[in-house]
Amino acid sequence: QKEVEQDPGPLSVPEGAIVSLNCTYSNSAFQYFMWYRQYSRKGPELLMYTYSSGNKEDGRFTAQVDKSSKYISLFIRDSQPSDSATYLCAMYDNDMRFGAGTRLTVKP
Amino acid sequence: GAVVSQHPSWVICKSGTSVKIECRSLDFQATTMFWYRQFPKQSLMLMATSNEGSKATYEQGVEKDKFLINHASLTLSTLTVTSAHPEDSSFYICSARDRRTGGYQPQHFGDGTRLSIL
Repeated sequence: QKEVEQDPGPLSVPEGAIVSLNCTYSNSAFQYFMWYRQYSRKGPELLMYTYSSGNKEDGRFTAQVDKSSKYISLFIRDSQPSDSATYLCAMYDNDMRFGAGTRLTVKP
Repeated sequence: GAVVSQHPSWVICKSGTSVKIECRSLDFQATTMFWYRQFPKQSLMLMATSNEGSKATYEQGVEKDKFLINHASLTLSTLTVTSAHPEDSSFYICSARDRRTGGYQPQHFGDGTRLSIL
C-alpha cells in the first residue's frame, strides 16, 4: 500500500462546476498537508497548505483535512478552463510524500 | 514571494555530454533544496536533498557520481548530470524551503528543466 493514494483521473468537468479532489494516506504522523497545481511542462505551484485537521479557504479553493479518517480534499468552486492542470497532494512529517496527481480538465 | 528560478528550462545535447542545471531561491534563503525527476504523467521522484555547506543526501538507487549536487550558498544549488545518456532524458525539478524558523515552511518549486539526450 502506498503511503499516499490519489486517483490519477483524468477528471473532466464543465466550466462552473464544483471540483472535488481527494487523497488518502496511511501514515498518521503526517502533520502538514499541501496541494500543488502543476501545468504541463511546468513545476508544481503551491496552492494551499494546512496544519493538522480543519478547513482552509483561499478564494475559490478550499482545503479540508480529516486526520481521523486520514483523508484530505481540495474543492474548487466555479471552476474555470484555466484550472485545467494536474493537482498533487503532498504531506510532510520529516519527509515529504506526494500523491500521484489528478489530471483535471475544465471544459468551456 | 517564495520564487524559485531554475535554469535552463530546456536543454538538448549529445550523449556523453555533462549538463549543469541551476536552482536559485530569488527572494528567500534556502538551507535545504531538493532535486526531483518526473517522467511523463507520473508524480515527482525525489532524487536527493541538498543542504547548504554539506554533502547531498541521495535517495536509494540514485547514483551520486552520475548526479552531482553542489549547494554552495543559501540561494543556489546545482545539479550536474555527468556523461548523460538517452536514459537520463527526463524533466528535472528543484525545490527549496525557506529557512525561516517558527514552524514548517512548505517547498516551493522551480519551473523544471526538460533534458533531452540524443
